[in-house]
Amino acid sequence: QVQLQQSGPGLVKPSQTLSLTCAISGDSVSSNSAAWNWIRQSPSRGLEWLGRTYYRSYTSKWYNDYAVSVKSRITINPDTAKNQFSLQLNSVTLEDTAVYYCARAISNWYPLDYWGQGTLVTVSS
Amino acid sequence: DIQMTQSPSSVSASVGDRVTITCRASQDISSWLAWYQQKPGKAPKVLLYAASSLQSGVPSRFSGSGSGTDFTLTISSLQPEDFATYYCQQANSFPYTFGQGTKLEIK
Repeated sequence: QVQLQQSGPGLVKPSQTLSLTCAISGDSVSSNSAAWNWIRQSPSRGLEWLGRTYYRSYTSKWYNDYAVSVKSRITINPDTAKNQFSLQLNSVTLEDTAVYYCARAISNWYPLDYWGQGTLVTVSS
Repeated sequence: DIQMTQSPSSVSASVGDRVTITCRASQDISSWLAWYQQKPGKAPKVLLYAASSLQSGVPSRFSGSGSGTDFTLTISSLQPEDFATYYCQQANSFPYTFGQGTKLEIK
């Protein structure tokens, strides 16, 4: 059974960096088929996919895809030693206040089948 | 980006009722659509994928249909635990995009 456990601060000051981690059990961040995603949810923006990281053994490379809306501010990194992945969102504003989720997708066209518990991140001074 | 539009935004129904929610994509997404159920304070839970494939463990009263741009989620006989918010999501192309949600309330 796959489980995703999120951790990270719930309060971030404007202009600072939001950092969250998603620890994986029951699967590997280096899986050759899965992709590891971050999604956020707010009343104003609904559910918004932010980006993903994934590994493909046929190229021995890691890949990232990011939403255009956050592309200049976001980094998603895998940590193979700890079997987890992280989200960093720079230069946050009040509009980045949301519940942030990590989630797995088994392939490009398949759903987000396992989700973390969610982390409410409030941007406030 | 592909826009996903759900209707209605909310619906009231009773236990035992049949309910249908629709989702329209702004362009052809083939059958790459998923449906999620979300309860307050919880993460979304996938119900169906590839428009009509039932996720393991999901009751058979949930069904989906459609292809191209128009899709439906049907709950054949509402149970008390089905009152929640439902979202569609396209998985045809990046970025993944979601509908705005349909809140299913008890009449």
